[in-house]
Amino acid sequence: EPEVTQTPSHQVTQMGQEVILRCVPISNHLYFYWYRQILGQKVEFLVSFYNNEISEKSEIFDDQFSVERPDGSNFTLKIRSTKLEDSAMYFCASSTGQGNTIYFGEGSWLTVV
Amino acid sequence: KNEVEQSPQNLTAQEGEFITINCSYSVGISALHWLQQHPGGGIVSLFMLSSGKKKHGRLIATINIQEKHSSLHITASHPRDSAVYICAVTGNTPLVFGKGTRLSVIA
Repeated sequence: EPEVTQTPSHQVTQMGQEVILRCVPISNHLYFYWYRQILGQKVEFLVSFYNNEISEKSEIFDDQFSVERPDGSNFTLKIRSTKLEDSAMYFCASSTGQGNTIYFGEGSWLTVV
Repeated sequence: KNEVEQSPQNLTAQEGEFITINCSYSVGISALHWLQQHPGGGIVSLFMLSSGKKKHGRLIATINIQEKHSSLHITASHPRDSAVYICAVTGNTPLVFGKGTRLSVIA
């Protein structure tokens, strides 16, 4: 069964460093998403991406965050200068259309020290 | 903004029991998702529904649009059903998630 894959599964980084989280969405999907879950809290929406541009973003997704689809398969989330509070599980997801089933990756654990 | 409440927060059941997890939301929606989060953290989509009822194996999801309420039922529960079950809603807006219900099924 097709799946969304994410790398790395775990990353520890120093505060202030740049981090890139990578995702390969399901191949025929058109909508891509990033969510995050701080330990012990609920999942929160960060950004959605369609037709090579951001379609929606939350207030969490500030200037420190960016997304890119550098080629036909990868979808990346970059955090420019990480803060301690960026420590969370980051989930990539994709769907064939808005309002359709969303398929999640296994997540990338980011720890900022 | 939609507020999504789930109950109970935690649930412990004996193997074989019938389980119900509830979700209510404050603003009309276009779709409701039930998700399962594994102990390792990965999330799997179980159901997406906008009306009525859906069934998949031992799982049944129902939604009452007028009451703004959905339930997830697990029949003949098994220890492998132990996970966090999350309700999330959308009204053609980004998903808004509940806090989840942690289910433990004991053999």
